[in-house]
Amino acid sequence: QSVLTQPPSASGTPGQRVTISCSGSTSNIGTNTVNWYQQLPGTAPKLLIYSDNQRPSGVPDRFSGSKSGTSASLAISGLQSEDEAAYYCATWDDNLNGWVFGGGTKLTVL
Amino acid sequence: EVQLVESGGGLVQPGGSLRLSCAASGFTLISYCMYWVRQAPGKGLVWVSRITGDGIITTYADAVKGRFTISRDNGKNTLFLQMNNLRAEDTAVYYCARPRGACNDPPDYWGQGTLVTVSS
Repeated sequence: QSVLTQPPSASGTPGQRVTISCSGSTSNIGTNTVNWYQQLPGTAPKLLIYSDNQRPSGVPDRFSGSKSGTSASLAISGLQSEDEAAYYCATWDDNLNGWVFGGGTKLTVL
Repeated sequence: EVQLVESGGGLVQPGGSLRLSCAASGFTLISYCMYWVRQAPGKGLVWVSRITGDGIITTYADAVKGRFTISRDNGKNTLFLQMNNLRAEDTAVYYCARPRGACNDPPDYWGQGTLVTVSS
C-alpha cells in the first residue's frame, strides 16, 4: 500500500488532455511540495515536475502540475503516443521522515 | 554531464548479504545528499535511504531499517548500500539518485539501476 494514492491506469487519444491525481495527507502533500516522474518501460524515472508546478529544462509545457490541500494533479495536454508511460507522484513525509511515492499510473495512448 | 552507475546486484539467498555501489561523475559528490530508491518487478518506486553530503546523517525506510546501511566515499566518488539479512521482498532494481540541489529536493538524476534477486 503506497502512502500516496494514484489511479492505477489512465487513457486518452492523441491530442486529448488527461489528468492524473495524487492523494495524500497533512504530513506529506499538505505540508511539502509535490513532484512528478515519468518512467518509460525499462528505463529510470525522469523528473517531470518539481515543487508542485515547475518544469525542469527540456520538459515540454504540455506537462503541468497543480496542488490543492492534500491532493495534487498532473495534466498532460496535446497527448502524444510517446507519452505512454508510468507516472509517479512523490513528496517528503514529515511523519515517516522519508520520501514517499504514489503507486504509479499507467497511461495508455489509444 | 552527471552520471551515476550502479553495480553489485545479483542473485543472493534469503538471509544473505550484498553490497551495492554507485559510481558518480560529472559533479562534486560531497556537495550533495544521495538516495537509494528501489522498484520491485512490475511495481512502483519505493524510497530506501538517504545520506547527507558529509555522510554524517542517514535515514532509512522502515522496511530496511536495521538491515541496510548507506555510506559514501567522497574521495572515490562512490555511494554504497550494504544490505544484510536479505528477504524475498527486497528483490528489486535498486537505483541511486541525486537531488536537484538541496538535500530536501527530490531525486533528479538517476542511474540505470542494478537488479537484486533474493531467492533460494
